[in-house]
Amino acid sequence: ILNVEQSPQSLHVQEGDSTNFTCSFPSSNFYALHWYRWETAKSPEALFVMTLNGDEKKKGRISATLNTKEGYSYLYIKGSQPEDSATYLCAFRYNFNKFYFGSGTKLNVKP
Amino acid sequence: EAGVTQFPSHSVIEKGQTVTLRCDPISGHDNLYWYRRVMGKEIKFLLHFVKESKQDESGMPNNRFLAERTGGTYSTLKVQPAELEDSGVYFCASSQSQGLAYEQYFGPGTRLTVT
Repeated sequence: ILNVEQSPQSLHVQEGDSTNFTCSFPSSNFYALHWYRWETAKSPEALFVMTLNGDEKKKGRISATLNTKEGYSYLYIKGSQPEDSATYLCAFRYNFNKFYFGSGTKLNVKP
Repeated sequence: EAGVTQFPSHSVIEKGQTVTLRCDPISGHDNLYWYRRVMGKEIKFLLHFVKESKQDESGMPNNRFLAERTGGTYSTLKVQPAELEDSGVYFCASSQSQGLAYEQYFGPGTRLTVT
């Protein structure tokens, strides 16, 4: 069983704050690292797929970095808005088609 | 383009009963996955279909769970008989594997409550 850990478990920030969370994963047999944004009762929404060490991806105010040698990825949100409130999930792809998920970081942005 | 759909959205059954969950993947996606999230924990892999074939069913908890994908289109996941620990959200995802950076597209999940 592979261990994918996300921290913190939950985060409460004020509107306008910038924030970041961490996903830690095994540094061997790496295929890809995926980030998802999930609101309860909706479909998890794909944010990024990262495959190369040193990858940096950006979508609007959200960005992510990847370090496969040490086994971590950071997700950053710049200037958080209430609509960013959701659970952010990372998934480590261990082989071509097998995904291991972390427990998620639940973000609450207060107006 | 329609996304991944799942039915029902919510099911409440008694211990010992049978429930069948359905997933309709994005049209043309050969890969279909089932996952389960028990409250507060991580989403866990159950199994993976490529077209109608089971590619990997290593995550299926026991033989009370049966997944099928006849004709390589929609899939069903049957739990018979249901136990209390089967409660959780069952997600389906589909993908068209093309290269290393392919993406999985998730359905909204079926919330199963076994009482």
